[in-house]
Amino acid sequence: AQTVTQSQPEMSVQEAETVTLSCTYDTSESNYYLFWYKQPPSRQMILVIRQEAYKQQNATENRFSVNFQKAAKSFSLKISDSQLGDTAMYFCAFMKHSTELTFGGGTRLMVKP
Amino acid sequence: GAVVSQHPSRVICKSGTSVKIECRSLDFQATTMFWYRQFPKQSLMLMATSNEGSKATYEQGVEKDKFLINHASLTLSTLTVTSAHPEDSSFYICSASGDANEKLFFGSGTQLSVL
Repeated sequence: AQTVTQSQPEMSVQEAETVTLSCTYDTSESNYYLFWYKQPPSRQMILVIRQEAYKQQNATENRFSVNFQKAAKSFSLKISDSQLGDTAMYFCAFMKHSTELTFGGGTRLMVKP
Repeated sequence: GAVVSQHPSRVICKSGTSVKIECRSLDFQATTMFWYRQFPKQSLMLMATSNEGSKATYEQGVEKDKFLINHASLTLSTLTVTSAHPEDSSFYICSASGDANEKLFFGSGTQLSVL
């Protein structure tokens, strides 16, 4: 079974600054996918970024980028130029091929003006 | 992008009644749908996986007779909470997968409150 751990229950960052959210996972699989999801107060799950484990290059999506360390089973999310709208719960998630997502416990991010 | 519609968004019911939640994929065929439950300030926990035309697979600890899942078509899955009790009050979210790009699309969730 896979496990996903987010060691930071809460974080805060000043607007326009950079913040990194940590995520580690445990799996015996070699091919899998990793995700970061954002859940704002509306509770809609929004995909932030996705990484295929077979790709060495770190995924980036505008202000969001990841640091994927496969050997260390680490998958951190960096948010640059933080905006007030980034305030939300962030969930790291793991998925094997065509199966369900396994979520971490979440990190509550507060962006302060 | 792909859209998953979930209804109702909020439901309040009396203890002992049954509640049905619908999850529809609007612009793609969802071969697999997942149902999650999220308690306040907690993460999403998988309840069951449903594949079109077959019985759902339930996670350990989830009562299949209480949480009835039907996936009768490639665009619709339903979750029925039977004989609901206050401890069933939670946020229920569905997600759907339909292509080979390993992407999942989420519904907007249903807040169930059992009085």
